[in-house]
Amino acid sequence: KQEVTQIPAALSVPEGENLVLNCSFTDSAIYNLQWFRQDPGKGLTSLLLIQSSQREQTSGRLNASLDKSSGRSTLYIAASQPGDSATYLCAVSGNTPLVFGKGTRLSVIA
Amino acid sequence: GAVVSQHPSWVICKSGTSVKIECRSLDFQATTMFWYRQFPKQSLMLMATSNEGSKATYEQGVEKDKFLINHASLTLSTLTVTSAHPEDSSFYICSARTASGTDTQYFGPGTRLTVL
Repeated sequence: KQEVTQIPAALSVPEGENLVLNCSFTDSAIYNLQWFRQDPGKGLTSLLLIQSSQREQTSGRLNASLDKSSGRSTLYIAASQPGDSATYLCAVSGNTPLVFGKGTRLSVIA
Repeated sequence: GAVVSQHPSWVICKSGTSVKIECRSLDFQATTMFWYRQFPKQSLMLMATSNEGSKATYEQGVEKDKFLINHASLTLSTLTVTSAHPEDSSFYICSARTASGTDTQYFGPGTRLTVL
């Protein structure tokens, strides 16, 4: 059974810092991995999708990497801003339906 | 493109009543829609997978007679919470996958259900 773990559960950083969010999964037989952003009481916004054959994806200040063999992904956020404050969810797609981690709650302090 | 809407965005109901939540794909056809539930500070848990024109597939532990799912068209799926109880209070999110068969799911904005 696929399990997705995200560390840390919460993170607070001053504005301008670069930061890394971690995601690990137990079954490496995945089709893809996605990072989402969720604001309080809102739905999900897809940030990056990495296919199983890819190593990383970049969008603006965001960079996500995937090491399928070790079951790990990282989301790197450069020059963090208060507007980046949200919960970031990692999800993997494979033989089972999309499986989500519990998320990392990020607070960027101005 | 690939916008998914949900209605209502929030609903408050009395215990014992039924509540219907709609999920629509606005600019694409979705052969498959998914329903998730999210409790506070928890992750999204898949409740069921809905394929247009056929019965939904429910995840283990989800009561199909309590959570009725109908996927009558390629753009609409509904989730009806029957005889709702306070423990059903949660955030319900749907997602839709395009008919092209790619693995990408597009998520709706969610519906906050509060059962008094």
